[in-house]
Amino acid sequence: AQSVTQPDIHITVSEGASLELRCNYSYGATPYLFWYVQSPGQGLQLLLKYFSGDTLVQGIKGFEAEFKRSQSSFNLRKPSVHWSDAAEYFCAVSTGNQFYFGTGTSLTVIP
Amino acid sequence: SAVISQKPSRDICQRGTSLTIQCQVDSQVTMMFWYRQQPGQSLTLIATANQGSEATYESGFVIDKFPISRPNLTFSTLTVSNMSPEDSSIYLCSVAGTGLGLSRNTIYFGEGSWLTVV
Repeated sequence: AQSVTQPDIHITVSEGASLELRCNYSYGATPYLFWYVQSPGQGLQLLLKYFSGDTLVQGIKGFEAEFKRSQSSFNLRKPSVHWSDAAEYFCAVSTGNQFYFGTGTSLTVIP
Repeated sequence: SAVISQKPSRDICQRGTSLTIQCQVDSQVTMMFWYRQQPGQSLTLIATANQGSEATYESGFVIDKFPISRPNLTFSTLTVSNMSPEDSSIYLCSVAGTGLGLSRNTIYFGEGSWLTVV
């Protein structure tokens, strides 16, 4: 069965520091991969997605993610975190018909 | 992307009552879903709202508790019936498939409806 794992429940980084959020998936083929962000009191906003092609994808708000087939991973990165990036981040996988979400990683940004 | 509007955005409800959440999309979409996000949790799919027919419910969710309507390709409602404190959650409308402002195979979310049952 398909599954998505976000190993880090909570991460704290200093403003200006780099960020990497981990995501691993379980699926027989290459799925569609997504990262969403949920700011406090908000719905989920699509940050970026990977379907095929270049394994490094750029998203909104300065985020990028890299698909590594050998590791079944799709980690989210940002070179310099801003205080406004504090939010919940969800990795998601789609097989085309169904979507599977990770349990989320809560990001705290300290001054 | 398409604009997905949900009403109400927040509500405080009395135990035993029912509340209907509306979801309006500004373009026709092929797929609409309803998710629940309990406090501090990830998303759980309640059902797929099918246009012109009964919704398809996931395991653990039943029509009597969560009746869903989808009269056309831009609108759906979710009712949370006979509410208890355990129903306090964010309820999220989402869309996928083809439509103006949508990317195929991508799911988009509304702002959510935050319900607190007292």
